[in-house]
Amino acid sequence: QKEVEQNSGPLSVPEGAIASLNCTYSDRVSQSFFWYRQYSGKSPELIMSIYSNGDKEDGRFTAQLNKASQYVSLLIRDSQPSDSATYLCAVRKQAGTALIFGKGTTLSVSS
Amino acid sequence: EAQVTQNPRYLITVTGKKLTVTCSQNMNHEYMSWYRQDPGLGLRQIYYSMNVEVTDKGDVPEGYKVSRKEKRNFPLILESPSPNQTSLYFCASTWDRNSPLHFGNGTRLTVT
Repeated sequence: QKEVEQNSGPLSVPEGAIASLNCTYSDRVSQSFFWYRQYSGKSPELIMSIYSNGDKEDGRFTAQLNKASQYVSLLIRDSQPSDSATYLCAVRKQAGTALIFGKGTTLSVSS
Repeated sequence: EAQVTQNPRYLITVTGKKLTVTCSQNMNHEYMSWYRQDPGLGLRQIYYSMNVEVTDKGDVPEGYKVSRKEKRNFPLILESPSPNQTSLYFCASTWDRNSPLHFGNGTRLTVT
């Protein structure tokens, strides 16, 4: 099993809809979880970080973490065409170890 | 402005010609790292450094060297580049080992 798995997509949603991006990880002792957005040819940009079970909201973005199920998700409400990008899930297994990235999910928001 | 700066942004070179990609951060970050990104393979860590003079291998260190003589700089050295090192490279830094990474703008390297 890969350490961090994401559905590669593309995930297509209409403008104004909710986009749901999912990520699973293999190591139960993982402690820190991050979502990055990456536009084509650009660098990854941090959207959200989450460290404990539950939901964390920031504007139109909500990160959800379920450590028992080894699952982290990102919800984007009121999706906009400018949200069209690749979303990378990143997991840090234990404090001080490298950040492991999933391969990313491509989101396409149509107007 | 707080940032991670990589140079050059684009580089085309030939097999075997030594090159250095520079990385500098102005945020006094202790932790710095190099990643390469390839289609279908995602971001993979090459090397990282937890402080000055402290470096360690990541997942794909073969063919690369790094140094950390100053806190702000973390250059990536390819002593003898090969075509399989053609990739998009990112330098990243953060305050400590538990914080999210902040990425530079990337260096697109082509080795012919």
